[in-house]
Amino acid sequence: DVKVTQSSRYLVKRTGEKVFLECVQDMDHENMFWYRQDPGLGLRLIYFSYDVKMKEKGDIPEGYSVSREKKERFSLILESASTNQTSMYLCASSTGGGYGYTFGSGTRLTVV
Amino acid sequence: DAKTTQPPSMDCAEGRAANLPCNHSTISGNEYVYWYRQIHSQGPQYIIHGLKNNETNEMASLIITEDRKSSTLILPHATLRDTAVYYCIVRSPDNTDKLIFGTGTRLQVFP
Repeated sequence: DVKVTQSSRYLVKRTGEKVFLECVQDMDHENMFWYRQDPGLGLRLIYFSYDVKMKEKGDIPEGYSVSREKKERFSLILESASTNQTSMYLCASSTGGGYGYTFGSGTRLTVV
Repeated sequence: DAKTTQPPSMDCAEGRAANLPCNHSTISGNEYVYWYRQIHSQGPQYIIHGLKNNETNEMASLIITEDRKSSTLILPHATLRDTAVYYCIVRSPDNTDKLIFGTGTRLQVFP
């Protein structure tokens, strides 16, 4: 069964900490995405990558960076976590064509 | 990509058809309409997509108006497991494959 795996389901971090959210896919997909989901705001795209070492900003990249050193792994980095980054973070990968998205189970991050 | 407008919530009785509307009045000629749904505590799941013609698969039907300014997702016999948030997304076939999700429609199927 194809999978997108996010390293943590729940995470609690302190303000100012550097936080890494890891995402691994086993489908050899070119494209990978990071979204955050907040009540009333839906899913918002933070960053995406369509190839190794390539990245593009989504709608809300401020406060985040990403790394894609290998095709199967896409990391989201919060350089200095803040309380307004408390959210559910969802990773996805895709084959292209808009219909082949597979999402991970999400990481619920709380910044205290 | 064109913006979409969906009602925030809808109810449907179990066993009845659920018709979820979506407006995309600024859609351009090469943009597709996609539907995804998100069941509580899970990531979104692809349902169906189309360009001009109506489409049907094992999950749902997609009806796109002739002027393509609106569409309707139809779940022919809704079950309690169809309770979810449904997202209508318009996307152009450029080379980045990104999908912009809105806030969707929360469908509640009741017994």
